[in-house]
Amino acid sequence: GENVEQHPSTLSVQEGDSAVIKCTYSDSASNYFPWYKQELGKGPQLIIDIRSNVGEKKDQRIAVTLNKTAKHFSLHITETQPEDSAVYFCAAHHGSSNTGKLIFGQGTTLQVKP
Amino acid sequence: DTGVSQNPRHKITKRGQNVTFRCDPISEHNRLYWYRQTLGQGPEFLTYFQNEAQLEKSRLLSDRFSAERPKGSFSTLEIQRTEQGDSAMYLCASSGSREGPLYGYTFGSGTRLTVV
Repeated sequence: GENVEQHPSTLSVQEGDSAVIKCTYSDSASNYFPWYKQELGKGPQLIIDIRSNVGEKKDQRIAVTLNKTAKHFSLHITETQPEDSAVYFCAAHHGSSNTGKLIFGQGTTLQVKP
Repeated sequence: DTGVSQNPRHKITKRGQNVTFRCDPISEHNRLYWYRQTLGQGPEFLTYFQNEAQLEKSRLLSDRFSAERPKGSFSTLEIQRTEQGDSAMYLCASSGSREGPLYGYTFGSGTRLTVV
């Protein structure tokens, strides 16, 4: 079935450093790739998304890159701050479906040490 | 618009009881989704509505689960004869904007269900 692999599962960085989370997907028809930040006890918060006809998108300290040929996409957070600490999920649209179904990665727990 | 709203935030119920959750999507979104999330995992798709039509149901959605979206606005998810394995966070999401049907794919804060 459709699958999204996310690495690493945990990531610890010093405040001010950059953090990179990587995902690969299996469905070559996927055309939408959102990233979510989830804090304890809360729902996933959309932080950035990218569609398949764009290779990179940036929003302040957050950027996402997409390589359709290799079927992988990455989240880059620069100048990390303690409030960036959370669980981050990547997702890919189930491209063969017309329903907008997302397939999620397993999540990355990011810890930013002050 | 305050985003996707879900009620209640928490629900504790005894095994065998029925529960119902409500979701109010972002008003301009015509697509609405239900997901389930267990501890340490990413959300798993349950079902999808476009306007009032339910167009897909996951195999995770057993016969004890039913979802509705009357008039294409808010949605309800009902679980009948709850089991301990139903304990999870139930998430609602909506999407659809000028940029495309998937854009602005926004989740609510979820309803945490505990079956005792």
